[in-house]
Amino acid sequence: DQQVKQNSPSLSVQEGRISILNCDYTNSMFDYFLWYKKYPAEGPTFLISISSIKDKNEDGRFTVFLNKSAKHLSLHIVPSQPGDSAVYFCAASAWRTGANNLFFGTGTRLTVIP
Amino acid sequence: DAGVTQSPTHLIKTRGQHVTLRCSPISGHKSVSWYQQVLGQGPQFIFQYYEKEERGRGNFPDRFSARQFPNYSSELNVNALLLGDSALYLCASSHGLHDTQYFGPGTRLTVL
Repeated sequence: DQQVKQNSPSLSVQEGRISILNCDYTNSMFDYFLWYKKYPAEGPTFLISISSIKDKNEDGRFTVFLNKSAKHLSLHIVPSQPGDSAVYFCAASAWRTGANNLFFGTGTRLTVIP
Repeated sequence: DAGVTQSPTHLIKTRGQHVTLRCSPISGHKSVSWYQQVLGQGPQFIFQYYEKEERGRGNFPDRFSARQFPNYSSELNVNALLLGDSALYLCASSHGLHDTQYFGPGTRLTVL
């Protein structure tokens, strides 16, 4: 039972344009959300996170939006750069339950075209 | 600063064998978690340790076990290997139990 879903396996964007990656979740106990980027032969690299008490968090070119009522979050990358080409994973955890195990989506492969 | 390190990088075993994977957390981090990532999927939680105690266990059989040492490094052990255990095994560390997890490069296990 996939509690975190990334329904787009891949996304292609022109350099300089906005990349929008989407993620949906089903478990209402999730209260902390993260995005990781993964290059081949490397482990996931932490990008940005958001707590359920917020609806937006920014860090440089990266912004994460959280819509709790829709159980949806998105990652915006502006402007997109060729070095952003990687697989992006959305992850969630339920800190309020005392746990910190992360539930991951299946990933979206982003290709930024120069 | 050194990140999370894992050893070995790659490993090939045959069915029925035992394997031990090792992880050293970021300096100052007291929690280590293990994840399994099979091809085409996201990482799946196996264990979390904090201050040498197991604090979480995912839906994996008892063939999987782990421990954390006084220096906060950790081992993941898998007994009676099956073909389906072939995967990338990722270790992540965090400062405390409810802090952001940072991942190592992983150990690629192939079971023949």
